[in-house]
Amino acid sequence: EVQLVESGGGLVQPGASLKLSCVASGFTFSDYWMSWVRQTPGKTMEWIGDIKYDGSYTNYAPSLKNRFTISRDNAKSTLYLQMSNVRSEDTATYYCIRCILRITGWVMDAWGQGASVTVSS
Amino acid sequence: DTVLTQSPALAVSLGQRVTISCRASISVSTYMHWYQQKSGQQPKLLIYSASNLESGVPSRFSGSGSGTDFTLTIDPVEADDIANYYCQQSNELPRTFGGGTKLELK
Repeated sequence: EVQLVESGGGLVQPGASLKLSCVASGFTFSDYWMSWVRQTPGKTMEWIGDIKYDGSYTNYAPSLKNRFTISRDNAKSTLYLQMSNVRSEDTATYYCIRCILRITGWVMDAWGQGASVTVSS
Repeated sequence: DTVLTQSPALAVSLGQRVTISCRASISVSTYMHWYQQKSGQQPKLLIYSASNLESGVPSRFSGSGSGTDFTLTIDPVEADDIANYYCQQSNELPRTFGGGTKLELK
């Protein structure tokens, strides 16, 4: 069974940094692109970015690329999201996602349960 | 960025046929996917590449469309289908999602 388990969320002050982790199991982690998506309290979904299976390439949402960094450790089957200089608008649930190429296009076929991040003083 | 527009909510009766629409601001060919999110849960893939049913998803779900107009159909609606539904495009970066359609019971 595919499992993605996020951790590292919580309450953080504006301007601080935070690193989320996602441990994968039930599949060969190093074979898959992985993504992060966040969902605001108002339920808006926003793609943050993705990372190639070997960690050699990343894509980011233009509005976030200067503050967010995605990385991975295939030996630990773990995906990371480093967030810096966080703002109140970064308050959201952050999902770790497995991506797979299906017929036409990349599809997000497995989602973690999410890590809640609240940015507040 | 490709903007995806969905109706915010739909009220349905159990056993009814319902269609949820998603319109893209530019053509995305068939690079459109649908997700279901039940209350308190993570999203789940239902339909990929506009019309392909994900493994394990009931056959009462179906998808259609290409270019800019897409629909997700549930026929018949069951109580377990009350949820939020999101479309998402993978035609270009950044990946974008629709605002979601909340399916409610009449």
